[in-house]
Amino acid sequence: GAGVSQSPRYKVAKRGQDVALRCDPISGHVSLFWYQQALGQGPEFLTYFQNEAQLDKSGLPSDRFFAERPEGSVSTLKIQRTQQEDSAVYLCASRGNTEAFFGQGTRLTVV
Amino acid sequence: AQSVTQLDSQVPVFEEAPVELRCNYSSSVSVYLFWYVQYPNQGLQLLLKYLSGSTLVESINGFEAEFNKSQTSFHLRKPSVHISDTAEYFCAVIPAQGAQKLVFGQGTRLTINP
Repeated sequence: GAGVSQSPRYKVAKRGQDVALRCDPISGHVSLFWYQQALGQGPEFLTYFQNEAQLDKSGLPSDRFFAERPEGSVSTLKIQRTQQEDSAVYLCASRGNTEAFFGQGTRLTVV
Repeated sequence: AQSVTQLDSQVPVFEEAPVELRCNYSSSVSVYLFWYVQYPNQGLQLLLKYLSGSTLVESINGFEAEFNKSQTSFHLRKPSVHISDTAEYFCAVIPAQGAQKLVFGQGTRLTINP
């Protein structure tokens, strides 16, 4: 596609609920990243894929966070048993040669 | 590891005035440097980047940034701002080789007053 697409744009979850956030990267981009952006902060790295391989998941804050990219294209970030501190914008990016292109993000609000 | 410090969390300026948004980085290896802009309720958009070559890089909408290796800085400047430049600006670095992830600063909110 023309750009990185994320869905849903907004998600309200009750505490304890599981959520799944989707990212469609730019076609042909091998690298895919997930970032978490808390209110008033810069994006913080969560995890990185090269094709279907998850090469770095050092930024995932707990074992409630899980990401996958089974066919090397679309990726899903799953958060189990959501907590209030998970409220943030989740950004997906795909990368060509040198620069990363970001989606519009999913704003997750846990109530 | 890399780190980025954006020295100003908020910068208010009047329309048509010049502006400088400061960015300093720390890294033991060569890096690529980026400025991203985030408009309200939008994702990040690449504004400009430094990879190699000329240390002064420019964007299509009048912003420029200069890579200063000795001062480990990559400050963003515009000689005359417009209301439409109101946004959050993020400086980011990535190692020229090896680790793939961008490391961002905390961001600077640029507010343009008429």
